[in-house]
Amino acid sequence: DTGVSQNPRHKITKRGQNVTFRCDPISEHNRLYWYRQTLGQGPEFLTYFQNEAQLEKSRLLSDRFSAERPKGSFSTLEIQRTEQGDSAMYLCASSSSRELSTEAFFGQGTRLTVV
Amino acid sequence: AQSVTQLGSHVSVSEGALVLLRCNYSSSVPPYLFWYVQYPNQGLQLLLKYTTGATLVKGINGFEAEFKKSETSFHLTKPSAHMSDAAEYFCAVSDREGDMRFGAGTRLTVKP
Repeated sequence: DTGVSQNPRHKITKRGQNVTFRCDPISEHNRLYWYRQTLGQGPEFLTYFQNEAQLEKSRLLSDRFSAERPKGSFSTLEIQRTEQGDSAMYLCASSSSRELSTEAFFGQGTRLTVV
Repeated sequence: AQSVTQLGSHVSVSEGALVLLRCNYSSSVPPYLFWYVQYPNQGLQLLLKYTTGATLVKGINGFEAEFKKSETSFHLTKPSAHMSDAAEYFCAVSDREGDMRFGAGTRLTVKP
């Protein structure tokens, strides 16, 4: 296993367009997280899944954001009608609930630029 | 939900000096605590973690942290800073259900 994989690594989009990002977690991990990180800030929690169930969603997330993990494996994060304020690094992480540590492993992120 | 406060967004030390990065957490349940490091243009890497047991935990690259329940703290230390330690450091808290939240980060600068 090569770790958490995110695609694309970079995305430039025009304001108002929809974008979708994909995350493939470490294969044996049943938890999957999405965070947003802007320059000089820590990862801001967006949502997380255990298997296919979405357990928590940030109140900061507007109705334009939606995440899915239909089969409990990969996940997608969609942003509709993008705004310039959506420009950020979107991070995905995964962990296993079967391990005591619950350590999260991070992907390299998808950098979104809205122009 | 639980939360983390990192005191000091920037810390500067001289090479060979003690590194101390502060982290205080808020959690209504016994927490899991983590320190992650992020080098420029790289992803987050785990430095160390506290789950249960010994309150002083050792991580990679000579870092260690002590869980102090009475102070709700999990400060990160390293006896002697190296130039390669310059990076952004993030403290994180998680509950048993895996809900993990991060602090705003502390940028460590190491002067020659």
